[in-house]
Parts: sequence; C-alpha cells; structure tokens
Amino acid sequence: QQQVKQSPQSLIVQKGGIPIINCAYENTAFDYFPWYQQFPGKGPALLIAIRPDVSEKKEGRFTISFNKSAKQFSLHIMDSQPGDSATYFCAASGGSGGSNYKLTFGKGTLLTVNP
Amino acid sequence: DAGVTQSPTHLIKTRGQQVTLRCSPKSGHDTVSWYQQALGQGPQFIFQYYEEEERQRGNFPDRFSGHQFPNYSSELNVNALLLGDSALYLCASRGQGDGRTQYFGPGTRLLVL
Repeated sequence: QQQVKQSPQSLIVQKGGIPIINCAYENTAFDYFPWYQQFPGKGPALLIAIRPDVSEKKEGRFTISFNKSAKQFSLHIMDSQPGDSATYFCAASGGSGGSNYKLTFGKGTLLTVNP
Repeated sequence: DAGVTQSPTHLIKTRGQQVTLRCSPKSGHDTVSWYQQALGQGPQFIFQYYEEEERQRGNFPDRFSGHQFPNYSSELNVNALLLGDSALYLCASRGQGDGRTQYFGPGTRLLVL
C-alpha cells in the first residue's frame, strides 16, 4: 500500500519557470512532511519541511503548500534554474513511538530545467 | 565536519551470498536508519537503530538484519541475496537536537547477479 502518492513522475520547465510537484497522503497520523532533493549518485538532501499546523512555508526559492483537510501538500520552486534539475521526493512521518522517525517516501519526480 | 559516510560505494554479489554494508553517522548523531532505494523508486524504510537496539522495522524479511555499535556506527546485513535486492542502500542519521530532520549518506549501490 503506497501511503504517499507523488505526481507528476517527470516535469520539464524552462529556466525561470515555477515547477509544482504534488503529494497526497493517506495516514492521518502523519505530522511531518519533508521534501528531499536527490542528484544522480548522491543521497537525498533535505530541502524544506512542514508541519500540519501551518498552510505554507518558504525557504529561499522553495515553498511548501499544505492542505490538511485534503491531505495534500506541494512543492513550488520559484525562478527555477538548470542547477535545480534533480529528482525530488516528498515524504511523511508520524505516529506513535518510533514511527515519528520512519519516513515514507513518494516515488519521486524527475525535474529538468532547460536553459 | 563529515556528514554521513557509507562503505563500500559499490558492491557486486551473486545470488545466495551474504553482504554487509557500513554506515558512520554524522558527528553527534546517535540514531541510524537504513533505507532501500530501488531504481526509479523512492527510498523504503528498512529499520532504525538507537542505543544499539532495533527500534522500528519496515516490511522487510528477516534476511535483513542490522547492528549498531557503541560509537553509533551501524551495519546492515543481508543474507541469501536475491536479484531483487539490487538497489541503493541509504543510511540516515539524526541527533537529539535535530527534531525530525534526518541526514542521508551517499549510499551503497548493490548489484546482485
């Protein structure tokens, strides 16, 4: 059972565009929603994370929007650059005991930013 | 300050063999988690170690086992390798002051032939 559904699978934008990646979750115990960026041959790196008590969080060019009632959250990348070309993963964690630190990931979105 | 380190970077094994992967957490971190990332997929949680004990486990068979040492480093062992075990194995660490943030290493690419 896939508990975090991510879309689209791939995305191509022009430099300066605003790619948007969407995720939906099922487990209402989830209360921490990070986004990771992964370059080929590297491990995932944390970009930004949000808790369900806020609807939006910005860090630099990256913004998370969160809709608790719809159980959906999304990543927006402002003024995208070719260096942003990577695979992006949404994730979620939460629940009793050690489940707080057990990340459930989406399948990833391959973003290409053309010059 | 070194981040999370993993060894080896690449490994080739044949079906039925056993493999041991190693992870050194970020300095000051005491909790280590292991994830399996198949090609084109998101990482899947295998298990987490804290205070040298397995605290949480994902949906992986008993062929997957681990260990955490007093210096917080960790090993992932996989017995009776299957072709389907070919994947990138990621280690992530966190410290008590990091909240929910986990830091990932570069991974070990395992190929089972």
